[in-house]
Amino acid sequence: AQTVTQSQPEMSVQEAETVTLSCTYDTSENNYYLFWYKQPPSRQMILVIRQEAYKQQNATENRFSVNFQKAAKSFSLKISDSQLGDTAMYFCAFFYNQGGKLIFGQGTELSVKP
Amino acid sequence: NAGVTQTPKFQVLKTGQSMTLQCAQDMNHEYMSWYRQDPGMGLRLIHYSVGAGITDQGEVPNGYNVSRSTTEDFPLRLLSAAPSQTSVYFCASSTYGVRMNTEAFFGQGTRLTVV
Repeated sequence: AQTVTQSQPEMSVQEAETVTLSCTYDTSENNYYLFWYKQPPSRQMILVIRQEAYKQQNATENRFSVNFQKAAKSFSLKISDSQLGDTAMYFCAFFYNQGGKLIFGQGTELSVKP
Repeated sequence: NAGVTQTPKFQVLKTGQSMTLQCAQDMNHEYMSWYRQDPGMGLRLIHYSVGAGITDQGEVPNGYNVSRSTTEDFPLRLLSAAPSQTSVYFCASSTYGVRMNTEAFFGQGTRLTVV
């Protein structure tokens, strides 16, 4: 069975600094997707970034980038130039075609301090 | 384009009552799912469906029923509510399969309290 683990329940960072959120996963699949979702206090689930497992190049979206290590089954999120609006819960998630399940980690609560 | 519409946003039930959480999507997505979110446990998959007429159990299916009679709708039924079902519930839909720009779209969530 696929599992996703986020080992940092809470993190904090000063505004304008860089922070990295960790995620590891376990799977025997070769083709899959990995996601980071942001959940602000409004409860809305917002896609931050997506990585296809067959792509070696790490995904980037403006201030957000990932470090995807397929062999190590690691998928960390780096937030550069942190902003107060980045304060939220962040979830790492795994999706694979066979079975169609989207599996989430436990979440990391990020606080950006002024 | 409404995306995923989930109702209600809030609900209080008494133990033993039944209710249905509604979920509808207008994106013609094959894949729909229900999650519950509890502190420290992330989002856990309750049930999911890969198309009309097809449903399967997720990680925590006990106490919940689903059906998928149309592509658009995927209701979640609590037959006899228990305090352990107090949680925030999310419905999600996505394209099924390895396609470009795959992502899951979520409803706004339902905060359910069972007293």
